[in-house]
Amino acid sequence: AQSVTQPDIHITVSEGASLELRCNYSYGATPYLFWYVQSPGQGLQLLLKYFSGDTLVQGIKGFEAEFKRSQSSFNLRKPSVHWSDAAEYFCAVGARVGNQFYFGTGTSLTVIP
Amino acid sequence: DAGITQSPRHKVTETGTPVTLRCHQTENHRYMYWYRQDPGHGLRLIHYSYGVKDTDKGEVSDGYSVSRSKTEDFLLTLESATSSQTSVYFCAISTDRDGGGGYTFGSGTRLTVV
Repeated sequence: AQSVTQPDIHITVSEGASLELRCNYSYGATPYLFWYVQSPGQGLQLLLKYFSGDTLVQGIKGFEAEFKRSQSSFNLRKPSVHWSDAAEYFCAVGARVGNQFYFGTGTSLTVIP
Repeated sequence: DAGITQSPRHKVTETGTPVTLRCHQTENHRYMYWYRQDPGHGLRLIHYSYGVKDTDKGEVSDGYSVSRSKTEDFLLTLESATSSQTSVYFCAISTDRDGGGGYTFGSGTRLTVV
C-alpha cells in the first residue's frame, strides 16, 4: 500500500540556519512527489514537485528537494531559513495513474529569531 | 487561494443534523477534490470529481456524499453529522487527471460537531 512518512513532527531552527525536512514514501513505482506548505488558517500551497528527470528540483521561496530512488526519499531543504518560513509542511505522493494522492502527517516548523 | 472559495469558513452544528459545505472555483478546472485534515493524519481524500456528475469515493467516504451539477461547484454533504466528523475540510482543484500538476487548495472550512 502507498504511504508517506514524515518522521519529524516538529522542528525548531534559528533564523539563518539551514533546514532539511524528511519525507519517505512507499510506492510500487516512481510516483509524483510534492511538497506543500500551510500557514496557520490557510490552505496548502504547492512548493515544488518532481515528475522525472533531474532529481534535484527547485521550488518557490528558495526551497529545493532531492529525489533519491534508492532511499525512497524526497527531502526538502533550504540553505537559510527566514522567520516567515514558520509553517506546517506536507509531503505528498501521487500515483501516476488514477490521481490518488497520499499526504504525510506534516512537519511543523518553528523559526527562532 | 484566488479562484477557489470554500463556504462557510467556520460552522458549528449539532450531532445528527445534515451539513453541506460548498467549494466554488472560477478556474474552470475539471478535477475537484474534498479532503479532511486531522492532527496526526495529514490530509485524507473523501471524494473527488472528474467532471459534472462524475464523482467517486476516496479513502474516507463513509458518512459523506457529494454532488457536482456545475463545473464550478462541488458540494460535500454530511448526511447526519457525528462528532468524528469534526475536522477541517479542504477543497482542491487540479488541471489534469493524473494530478501531475499538483493541487490548488481552498482556505478550508472548520467544522465542529457538538
